Amino acid sequence: AQSVAQPEDQVNVAEGNPLTVKCTYSVSGNPYLFWYVQYPNRGLQFLLKYITGDNLVKGSYGFEAEFNKSQTSFHLKKPSALVSDSALYFCAVRDAGGYNKLIFGAGTRLAVHP
Amino acid sequence: SAVISQKPSRDICQRGTSLTIQCQVDSQVTMMFWYRQQPGQSLTLIATANQGSEATYESGFVIDKFPISRPNLTFSTLTVSNMSPEDSSIYLCSVEEMGGSNTGELFFGEGSRLTVL
Repeated sequence: AQSVAQPEDQVNVAEGNPLTVKCTYSVSGNPYLFWYVQYPNRGLQFLLKYITGDNLVKGSYGFEAEFNKSQTSFHLKKPSALVSDSALYFCAVRDAGGYNKLIFGAGTRLAVHP
Repeated sequence: SAVISQKPSRDICQRGTSLTIQCQVDSQVTMMFWYRQQPGQSLTLIATANQGSEATYESGFVIDKFPISRPNLTFSTLTVSNMSPEDSSIYLCSVEEMGGSNTGELFFGEGSRLTVL
């Protein structure tokens, strides 16, 4: 069965510092991997995805993620964090079992301090 | 990307009652998905709704509790029946655009926050 793990409930980082939000996955075949962000009282917004090709994927708001097949990881990164990046981040993997069902991780709360 | 509107955005309901959530998309879409996000939790897929066929429910979710309609390619409803406090959650509608790359990227509505007393 497909699954995705986000090992950190919360990540704290100072504004201007680089940030990393971790994600590891388990799928039977080739993974389709996604990052979404949820601001308070809002729905989910798509940030970026990895389907194939370059392991480094660039997305919205200056975020990027690196696909590492050997470590089955897809960590979200940003070189310089902003206070406005504070939100809940979800990693997701596509279920190869049919349709386009996404399986979500538990979420990581990012807190960027001034 | 598709624009997804959900109604109501929030509601407070009494135990034992039912509530229908509407999801309207501004373009035609093949599949619509209903997710539940319980307080402080991640998203769990309730069911997949295709136009012209019965919805496909995930393990732990049944049609009697969460009946779904999909009358056309731009609209769907989810009903939460005989509600209890455990049903207090955010319910999210999501879609993949028709003609998309079929790579699983979904777009989400703003969600409907239900509180059951």
